[in-house]
Amino acid sequence: NAGVTQTPKFRVLKTGQSMTLLCAQDMNHEYMYWYRQDPGMGLRLIHYSVGEGTTAKGEVPDGYNVSRLKKQNFLLGLESAAPSQTSVYFCASSYHGLAGVITGELFFGEGSRLTVL
Amino acid sequence: SQQGEEDPQALSIQEGENATMNCSYKTSINNLQWYRQNSGRGLVHLILIRSNEREKHSGRLRVTLDTSKKSSSLLITASRAADTASYFCATAGGYYGNNRLAFGKGNQVVVIP
Repeated sequence: NAGVTQTPKFRVLKTGQSMTLLCAQDMNHEYMYWYRQDPGMGLRLIHYSVGEGTTAKGEVPDGYNVSRLKKQNFLLGLESAAPSQTSVYFCASSYHGLAGVITGELFFGEGSRLTVL
Repeated sequence: SQQGEEDPQALSIQEGENATMNCSYKTSINNLQWYRQNSGRGLVHLILIRSNEREKHSGRLRVTLDTSKKSSSLLITASRAADTASYFCATAGGYYGNNRLAFGKGNQVVVIP
């Protein structure tokens, strides 16, 4: 049981380049999330999805796009990378619980470390 | 401000001692969760406490929740070197709604062997 898998684990980009981070989960979870973690800032939610074909903005969505075409996959795209997007990105998934409330834990991937030069 | 805000601290203790960290939040919640993050790794869920619960135990972990003060504490008893990590609290419901968690900035704990 792999849980939540993120690819790639490391990436270096030049300003203006584009890339896609892939998150895959094998737990049949409805909810999936993309967070970024920066020193002293904790985890900040970029985008999230409450089901296949649906996405929503989090706290810091600017400069990112997402897609959830398949239930098990959640893609995070950077169309034109900027140095401010240098960060560690975490994907997570969770069971949706009753009436849409998260009643259980989030399962996290191991992170994708992105550096934008 | 974010829901689920720890008092950001770097706590350094000797092995065998207890470690306590606190978390506060601003609006009503459905549940509060604690996570551990080892250096360079993803977050791992430790324990969840619901809004109608006041205390919960899991192994060497003890979590309390005071909804009147909108605060929670995590106690790790008889700490071990392997407990060295960052600890985050996160709230479900309330400020950000039910379908997402709001994380605090984390407490770094160093356990000295």
